[in-house]
Amino acid sequence: GQQLNQSPQSMFIQEGEDVSMNCTSSSIFNTWLWYKQDPGEGPVLLIALYKAGELTSNGRLTAQFGITRKDSFLNISASIPSDVGIYFCAGPGAGGTSYGKLTFGQGTILTVHP
Amino acid sequence: NAGVTQTPKFHILKIGQSMTLQCTQDMNHNYMYWYRQDPGMGLKLIYYSVGAGITDKGEVPNGYNVSRSTTEDFPLRLELAAPSQTSVYFCASSYSGGTFNQPQHFGDGTRLSIL
Repeated sequence: GQQLNQSPQSMFIQEGEDVSMNCTSSSIFNTWLWYKQDPGEGPVLLIALYKAGELTSNGRLTAQFGITRKDSFLNISASIPSDVGIYFCAGPGAGGTSYGKLTFGQGTILTVHP
Repeated sequence: NAGVTQTPKFHILKIGQSMTLQCTQDMNHNYMYWYRQDPGMGLKLIYYSVGAGITDKGEVPNGYNVSRSTTEDFPLRLELAAPSQTSVYFCASSYSGGTFNQPQHFGDGTRLSIL
């Protein structure tokens, strides 16, 4: 099946620093999604990308759909303590975009020190 | 403003026992999903449903069963629980396929331990 690999697996940063993480796929994706999971809660959609080369922002978050369609990047600027959590990339699983079946990366755990 | 509600939040089950994890949504969403999340791993799709009376297998369906008799409810049943099913289970719903402007909304999860 399709696999998504995220890196880094974890990050420990100081408040105010910028963060970059990425996600690569073994196959082409037509949609890239970035989710955040706070401790003890379910994932929440942050950003959705639909076109190769697309750059989309949501507040301090910026995500890019890679030109090869096999990767995506998420940047967080000026991190704050509430950015702590697990960040997942996701995309339509095998079978295309129908039915919303998603494949998730293994996540990047972000820790922000005040 | 409930969204997706999962019960119970925590449970300990003995090997070989059966259990049903409940999921209900009040957003009139057609699509519903069950995922499991193991430590250090992303979410893996167990089963999904595109409407009442219609269900299909996801990536890891073995050991689980589902039913969808109403739009609101999508219970997940574990028969003959095994230690490998120790995990956090998430239910999600979306109006349509969940990728095009209609994101999947997740519940807060059920943490299940099988001993």
